Amino acid sequence: KQEVTQIPAALSVPEGENLVLNCSFTDSAIYNLQWFRQDPGKGLTSLLLIQSSQREQTSGRLNASLDKSSGRSTLYIAASQPGDSATYLCAVRPRGQNFVFGPGTRLSVLP
Amino acid sequence: ETGVTQTPRHLVMGMTNKKSLKCEQHLGHNAMYWYKQSAKKPLELMFVYSLEERVENNSVPSRFSPECPNSSHLFLHLHTLQPEDSALYLCASSPGNSISYNEQFFGPGTRLTVL
Repeated sequence: KQEVTQIPAALSVPEGENLVLNCSFTDSAIYNLQWFRQDPGKGLTSLLLIQSSQREQTSGRLNASLDKSSGRSTLYIAASQPGDSATYLCAVRPRGQNFVFGPGTRLSVLP
Repeated sequence: ETGVTQTPRHLVMGMTNKKSLKCEQHLGHNAMYWYKQSAKKPLELMFVYSLEERVENNSVPSRFSPECPNSSHLFLHLHTLQPEDSALYLCASSPGNSISYNEQFFGPGTRLTVL
């Protein structure tokens, strides 16, 4: 059964720093991996979707990488801003299953 | 309206009440999902519908009853809930026409409190 973990559970950084969030999954047989952000008490906003055949995806200050063989994905946020403060979730789509979510990383960017 | 909408946004109900959550997607997608998000726990998939047919039910108690009358609408009927069912209930949709490209789009959620 696929399991997804995210490290760290919480992260606090000063504004302007570049940062990396990590996502690990136990079974490399996946169709894709998706990163989301969630503001407190709100729904999830899709950030990036990486297909299993891709190595990375970029959107603005965000860059997500995927290394299926090692079961890892990273979300790189450049020049962080207070508006980036949220919980970041990764989800994988394993073969034969629906999406499995990680527990999230709670990010605080301090002005 | 665009994207995925959910009503109501907040709901307080007693254990003997019957209520329904509504989800509507305006994206032309074929698959819709119900998730439960409890405090300090990962999102839990509850139900999946593809082309209005239930394709997955993750051992959800029968006090939760889904309904998908068409590909744009999804309901979650609630009855005789327990306090531990208090959570944020999230609806999502995805294109559903390609198993490899299946980006999910979420609604804002319904915050449910069971007294």
